[in-house]
Formats: sequence, C-alpha cells, structure tokens
Amino acid sequence: SQQGEEDPQALSIQEGENATMNCSYKTSINNLQWYRQNSGRGLVHLILIRSNEREKHSGRLRVTLDTSKKSSSLLITASRAADTASYFCAPGTGGGNKLTFGTGTQLKVEL
Amino acid sequence: DTEVTQTPKHLVMGMTNKKSLKCEQHMGHRAMYWYKQKAKKPPELMFVYSYEKLSINESVPSRFSPECPNSSLLNLHLHALQPEDSALYLCASSQDPGDSSNYGYTFGSGTRLTVV
Repeated sequence: SQQGEEDPQALSIQEGENATMNCSYKTSINNLQWYRQNSGRGLVHLILIRSNEREKHSGRLRVTLDTSKKSSSLLITASRAADTASYFCAPGTGGGNKLTFGTGTQLKVEL
Repeated sequence: DTEVTQTPKHLVMGMTNKKSLKCEQHMGHRAMYWYKQKAKKPPELMFVYSYEKLSINESVPSRFSPECPNSSLLNLHLHALQPEDSALYLCASSQDPGDSSNYGYTFGSGTRLTVV
C-alpha cells in the first residue's frame, strides 16, 4: 500500500464556486479512491477510478487520473456549504487490504 | 442494508478499565478493518480481517485486541489504555478480501474514545 499526498492542505471558497484538490502518489497503482469525511464522522466513499481510466464523473464530482504524472485531481462543481469536509485520496495497489490515506484537503465552503 | 454500525458512539474509560467497541455490517462483506484517527490526522490502519481471520496487524500494542466472531461482527477489546489512545476509532468493511483495494470501503461513524 502507499499513501497519497493531497494538495492544498486547506481550501476556502464561496458557495457556487468550483473546488479542485490534487493527489500525488509514488508507485504504480491499480486504482485510486477518494473519500469525504465530515467533522468527527466516518469516511464516505466518493469515487474509484481505475488505472486504465482517465476521467470519471459522479454527480457534481469529476475525478481525473494521470498515471504518467502519478497524480489525480478531484473537482467539485457548484460547491455547497454541505461540501465542507476533509477529502482524502487513497491509492490502491491491488491484491492487498491495506488502504492508507494521505493527510487530506480541508475544504470550507462559505455562504 | 448498506451500513456499518458502530457502538458505542462515545466512550470514556479509565486506564484500568476493560471495554469493547463493536462493529456490525450485513452487506456480506468479507473484509473488515479497524482504523484509528487522531484529531486533524488521517485514519491509520490498525487491523484487517479477511474471511474472519486476522490478516494484518499494523504493530498495534497488545492493549488493543481485535476479535471477529462471525462474518458480520468485529470487536475491538480495550484494556489498560493510555490517555494518548484517545481518538476516533473507525470500523470499515469491503467486498472482496482478495482484491479489496478494487472496491470502496464502507465506514461506520466511529467511536469517540476518551481515556482518563
């Protein structure tokens, strides 16, 4: 398993704006997952993108994956106050059960 | 049922107490996990169970003792904890232990543990 590194560490935007956060990792992956955590709660699985995919959408979420740069980005469009949370990426190397998380991006969406 | 249920939600215990955290899922997932999360830090993996057998122990102190009585239940027994063990303890499950990183994890809401 490996840990992702999210960037930026913190992001503050106005409601309605788009939010972009990035994840970099070090070794080859089978997939990369994104999770959201509201303050003091459990993590919620948002999206999984496989290594042979370049882009994936789910509602207001768009995830891209560039395996040549070992990086992924999560775009949240038309953000809402309810999107305020920490967002974690988790690179999946496959064949094992050790999903580890990076330090996360703390997103604050202000009214 | 698409949830992982953790009880209790909050727990305060003394350093000489023995307590247990409980986790339950009815999604037929065969991999279950315990994570520990300190404030403003990412979750850290503690234990992994695959098909009810302990497959990974991330060098966790023996004062934490996991147990998987059946495919739906996961317990974490606590004994002689230290104040620095205070944290949010998260349980998670996933579909296929053999290739679990190809499936998303379902997390419970956690148990907020305070050791006094």
